[in-house]
Amino acid sequence: QLVLTQSPSASASLGASVKLTCTLSSGHSSYAIAWHQHQSEKGPRYLMKIHSDGSHFKGAGIPDRFSGSSSGAERYLTISSLQSEDEADYYCQTWGTGIQVFGGGTKLTVL
Amino acid sequence: QVQLVESGGGVVQPGRSLRLSCATSGFTFRSFGMHWVRQAPGKGLEWVAVITHDESNKYYADSVKGRFTVSRDNSKNTLYLQMNSLRVEDSAVYYCAKGLGVGGSSPIDYWGQGTLVTVSS
Repeated sequence: QLVLTQSPSASASLGASVKLTCTLSSGHSSYAIAWHQHQSEKGPRYLMKIHSDGSHFKGAGIPDRFSGSSSGAERYLTISSLQSEDEADYYCQTWGTGIQVFGGGTKLTVL
Repeated sequence: QVQLVESGGGVVQPGRSLRLSCATSGFTFRSFGMHWVRQAPGKGLEWVAVITHDESNKYYADSVKGRFTVSRDNSKNTLYLQMNSLRVEDSAVYYCAKGLGVGGSSPIDYWGQGTLVTVSS
């Protein structure tokens, strides 16, 4: 079964960096994923797509502070130089034939 | 720029029906798969349905299969979600979303602002 696992919460200080993790279920380590940011009271925003080789393709207008990487079944989103507006829920998403799956989301708090 | 604007949400009694619409602009609608995703209060994102660019394939989450129908009108650049036999647990903000490719097997790259559906007696 295709499942994505995320830590429920993360926190980091203003100006610091944070690395969020999304883990693919057993047998699905070759899958690409996408990261989405969901700020309160707004529609979600697509950040990037990350492949198993670590290559990533960002959405339009996504700042260079956002980057992606990969290791085995884990896919990462790194946000550097944290700003207050980065406080949001972050979701990973993956897909197969006839199925789309979201992780449970990570709530990022900027201290 | 890409715009997705949902409408049709509201308060409805359990067992009743509701039809959501999503008006789109800023891209070639007929060339992309389109999704519906929902978020119940206090919960995470839940994928609901996807329709391929030419309407040849439609896929649904198990939680809505047999009750919800996704469709599109490529001449009107509009996506629809017909929701029948609504349940209290269908209460959520419903988002229209654009796929990165033509089919259902690709990520979402644009989202709407959402429309709230409340199922309550």
